[in-house]
Amino acid sequence: DAKTTQPNSMESNEEEPVHLPCNHSTISGTDYIHWYRQLPSQGPEYVIHGLTSNVNNRMASLAIAEDRKSSTLILHRATLRDAAVYYCILGHTSGSRLTFGEGTQLTVNP
Amino acid sequence: EAGVTQFPSHSVIEKGQTVTLRCDPISGHDNLYWYRRVMGKEIKFLLHFVKESKQDESGMPNNRFLAERTGGTYSTLKVQPAELEDSGVYFCASSQERGWLYGYTFGSGTRLTVV
Repeated sequence: DAKTTQPNSMESNEEEPVHLPCNHSTISGTDYIHWYRQLPSQGPEYVIHGLTSNVNNRMASLAIAEDRKSSTLILHRATLRDAAVYYCILGHTSGSRLTFGEGTQLTVNP
Repeated sequence: EAGVTQFPSHSVIEKGQTVTLRCDPISGHDNLYWYRRVMGKEIKFLLHFVKESKQDESGMPNNRFLAERTGGTYSTLKVQPAELEDSGVYFCASSQERGWLYGYTFGSGTRLTVV
């Protein structure tokens, strides 16, 4: 499985934008970039995913570099409920599993 | 739509006993997955069902773990006999065909403590 690299932790203030980076230099052409988050005492929750183009949904935006070797999850206005561990995961079209790394622990300050 | 449901939410058993975890996927999701996080480690894949068939069970740690999905609906994961190192949180997830394209929905997990 292709590997991703994320900072261990990040901090943000409430109602400010948050940019969570992810490096995936060994990504293959058919790997999708998935983001999940895990709130305390809950299972992982789907956030967003994309292949080549930037993506937007009600939760977040995903900005993918032109060479696809990195991506950034953007939370436009962080809330206290966004405090969680965020995982950047590559999903291959031929595989079925998600390979979780350590993720980024996001702290949101009031 | 109802999400992925897991029972029980917590279980405390003694070493050597048997425990059965249950997962009810989202209705219509043929794909069902089991993952677990043991103390201090990352979330790890255990196995994948497509309907009632085991598609990939390469993540199952040993033969003390038995997963079933009779009828292609809910799934059970039995640990027999349980060992101390089995303590952790067990997650179930389900997806439509091609989860890598549509995303996976996880349950809240079962926290298993073996004492």
